[in-house]
Amino acid sequence: AQSVTQLGSHVSVSEGTPVLLRCNYSSSYSPSLFWYVQHPNKGLQLLLKYTSAATLVKGINGFEAEFKKSETSFHLTKPSAHMSDAAEYFCVVRGGNEKLTFGTGTRLTIIP
Amino acid sequence: EPEVTQTPSHQVTQMGQEVILRCVPISNHLYFYWYRQILGQKVEFLVSFYNNEISEKSEIFDDQFSVERPDGSNFTLKIRSTKLEDSAMYFCASSGEFNQPQHFGDGTRLSIL
Repeated sequence: AQSVTQLGSHVSVSEGTPVLLRCNYSSSYSPSLFWYVQHPNKGLQLLLKYTSAATLVKGINGFEAEFKKSETSFHLTKPSAHMSDAAEYFCVVRGGNEKLTFGTGTRLTIIP
Repeated sequence: EPEVTQTPSHQVTQMGQEVILRCVPISNHLYFYWYRQILGQKVEFLVSFYNNEISEKSEIFDDQFSVERPDGSNFTLKIRSTKLEDSAMYFCASSGEFNQPQHFGDGTRLSIL
């Protein structure tokens, strides 16, 4: 069994300040972890993935995430927020099978 | 960059009618998936499909649902005798190999009246 908890359904940051979106997971298997982003009326775009290689993962648009097994966390960060980062972000886990298990999502708002 | 495409973008159907949602996965991908997102809720896995058969399905995917790959490019989700609670955004996804990331389409918004 696997599950994902995203802490904070809404996060607001000012443009130019750091972004931190929190994610904790549980999995009976060595997990693969992903962050997807969904802009309004669009599909789910892959931001980055962790699949048991380097624990610090770099993605698109300046986003990074660090896999911490001891904390069962996979938090998403970006040093400096841009207005175009406003979207819904989903932390996703895949365990020993094919299906993806999604978190409830975090809506990121950027304050000008 | 190759994309997963879904049609239509919005489907409105009367309760009790059958609906077919269509997807064209990325051309060299072998694994295909359907997910749904009811308004205000999580994205939920429905079914995975590989080598012309269902490889895994969730408890949501009951006899009302079926999937098919009718030709070399399309992947369809059929919902028979639709119910109000089937209203949701349905996402198709595909991946090249089992352990590769899944790439999603823009979704079909299904509204049951």
